[in-house]
Amino acid sequence: DGGITQSPKYLFRKEGQNVTLSCEQNLNHDAMYWYRQDPGQGLRLIYYSQIVNDFQKGDIAEGYSVSREKKESFPLTVTSAQKNPTAFYLCASSKPGSEAGKLFFGSGTQLSVL
Amino acid sequence: QKEVEQNSGPLSVPEGAIASLNCTYSDRGSQSFFWYRQYSGKSPELIMSIYSNGDKEDGRFTAQLNKASQYVSLLIRDSQPSDSATYLCAVLTSGTYKYIFGTGTRLKVLA
Repeated sequence: DGGITQSPKYLFRKEGQNVTLSCEQNLNHDAMYWYRQDPGQGLRLIYYSQIVNDFQKGDIAEGYSVSREKKESFPLTVTSAQKNPTAFYLCASSKPGSEAGKLFFGSGTQLSVL
Repeated sequence: QKEVEQNSGPLSVPEGAIASLNCTYSDRGSQSFFWYRQYSGKSPELIMSIYSNGDKEDGRFTAQLNKASQYVSLLIRDSQPSDSATYLCAVLTSGTYKYIFGTGTRLKVLA
């Protein structure tokens, strides 16, 4: 079945450590996104990518980095520069022009600080 | 800064009643509008999408769009306890890949 897979489901970060969240899709979608969600809040855009080897900063990119070396994969690294990383991270994909722009979401990664 | 605003709630309605959720947006160039439902600890799932002024119905759900007033609403008829969730409004500006989400409205349907 097609879909988006995020891993791990839960992740713990020590102070000063970089951690990487995985996002893989087999939907053949061109666009991929990373969102951050804090308790009781909506989704805030971190980074998005329209095509392979290209990505743009969202509203809260500071302290995060991404890569898009393959169409299927869009990993997010939370660097030590991100001082408040505890949040629920959601990866999504879409195929503009198809299914009217519907966003498909992964199941999310809960990141906490030790 | 392009914004999407929602009342955070909680909005409490009795079982069987109509729940009305509202959303306003600031960017007049917005072309596509979406309502997502999110249960606690889960990822959002699409309920409705709407692209032109007027109403769009799908089962118990009706989305309403008024571009002149820059608002979009979601009506849930015959509300059920299983509808209790946070409802997120999302807006996509034409020619971009960037979706802007509201903070969500928490709905509680009382049995």
